[in-house]
Amino acid sequence: EAGVTQSPTHLIKTRGQQATLRCSPISGHTSVYWYQQALGLGLQFLLWYDEGEERNRGNFPPRFSGRQFPNYSSELNVNALELEDSALYLCASSLARDTEAFFGQGTRLTVV
Amino acid sequence: AQSVTQPDIHITVSEGASLELRCNYSYGATPYLFWYVQSPGQGLQLLLKYFSGDTLVQGIKGFEAEFKRSQSSFNLRKPSVHWSDAAEYFCAVGYLFSGGYNKLIFGAGTRLAVHP
Repeated sequence: EAGVTQSPTHLIKTRGQQATLRCSPISGHTSVYWYQQALGLGLQFLLWYDEGEERNRGNFPPRFSGRQFPNYSSELNVNALELEDSALYLCASSLARDTEAFFGQGTRLTVV
Repeated sequence: AQSVTQPDIHITVSEGASLELRCNYSYGATPYLFWYVQSPGQGLQLLLKYFSGDTLVQGIKGFEAEFKRSQSSFNLRKPSVHWSDAAEYFCAVGYLFSGGYNKLIFGAGTRLAVHP
């Protein structure tokens, strides 16, 4: 069974540009979570999608947004990139709210 | 507010020695608790979880953890460490929402080094 897959693996963008990160959950999982792992800041919750709807978001500005598609895959968009957005972005999926979340390998975003 | 504390930033052990990584959480109700491991440049792999029931939980790779409500702790243990266990370990608590959780609150992580 395929795990959570994220693309691209690495992404280099210029400050002010937009970045789009993609995530395919484990088959059958309907919840998708996004986390940011920035140097020195640890793992921070970004967004939670469940059944196609954004259910919760962390303490991030509105330029961090995303969506979940009917097949439960998800994308994270980061607009007006800033240098401090450089981080590993991790996607996770779970079958339901009371089951464990499985993580993908992440997308390393570098803003120059 | 929920929070997770991992008091040890770095730990070094010799191969074959026992290991205990500490985790303390702050939350009023019975939490959902997890331990994840991250190798350099990789994503997170779930080692074990506690939702309810037996307070001693077994995980993959020979790891176990014990939930102690009175101490608000969920320490991770392994009786004999292998060189391949060198990685960063994260304790996390699920933020409860409508019968489950809707996000994970992570500790800062403990980086484990293993001497041959």
